[in-house]
Amino acid sequence: GAVVSQHPSWVICKSGTSVKIECRSLDFQATTMFWYRQFPKQSLMLMATSNEGSKATYEQGVEKDKFLINHASLTLSTLTVTSAHPEDSSFYICSAPPGQGLLNTEAFFGQGTRLTVV
Amino acid sequence: DAKTTQPNSMESNEEEPVHLPCNHSTISGTDYIHWYRQLPSQGPEYVIHGLTSNVNNRMASLAIAEDRKSSTLILHRATLRDAAVYYCILRDCTGTASKLTFGTGTRLQVTL
Repeated sequence: GAVVSQHPSWVICKSGTSVKIECRSLDFQATTMFWYRQFPKQSLMLMATSNEGSKATYEQGVEKDKFLINHASLTLSTLTVTSAHPEDSSFYICSAPPGQGLLNTEAFFGQGTRLTVV
Repeated sequence: DAKTTQPNSMESNEEEPVHLPCNHSTISGTDYIHWYRQLPSQGPEYVIHGLTSNVNNRMASLAIAEDRKSSTLILHRATLRDAAVYYCILRDCTGTASKLTFGTGTRLQVTL
């Protein structure tokens, strides 16, 4: 089946630094990818929609200048957390739905990235 | 997106069947019912989905009420590896966006 690979699986960084998270679709092309954030004991919250060749669409309340998204190719989307602070510590998950236009198909998720800002 | 309501948690003994309910009274005619589960410290994984008819696959069965206002995910023989948070999600098949909106889900605990 389709695979979405996320890297790194975990990262610890100092406050004020930037962290880049990669999301790759390994055996299919994804013109759209989704980025979620999940705090402990909570559900996944959609942060933004990454669109290949165009600007990302951010959900209300998500700072686009802080969470930079680049969808450089049909198989790669990156999320950069800029000037990270401890409150940005969370589990970040990407998703890619294969079969664009076939909305009754399953979505595939990366394994997630645990970000800890110290 | 139409909302779903699930119990916060459920418990099951290993090797026994588990029925996970989901209410979606405001479901529209074009909404598919999707189920995903999330094991600890992992991304969600697809379980099953359906529109009107009951569905079976190697992981589970999905029973959909005749009026489509509720559905039940059935794990026929729970194992310890099935301990996860199960999410019931409605997905509109007519729009251009295919994002998934997650609710709180049901945390399933499986004991020996």
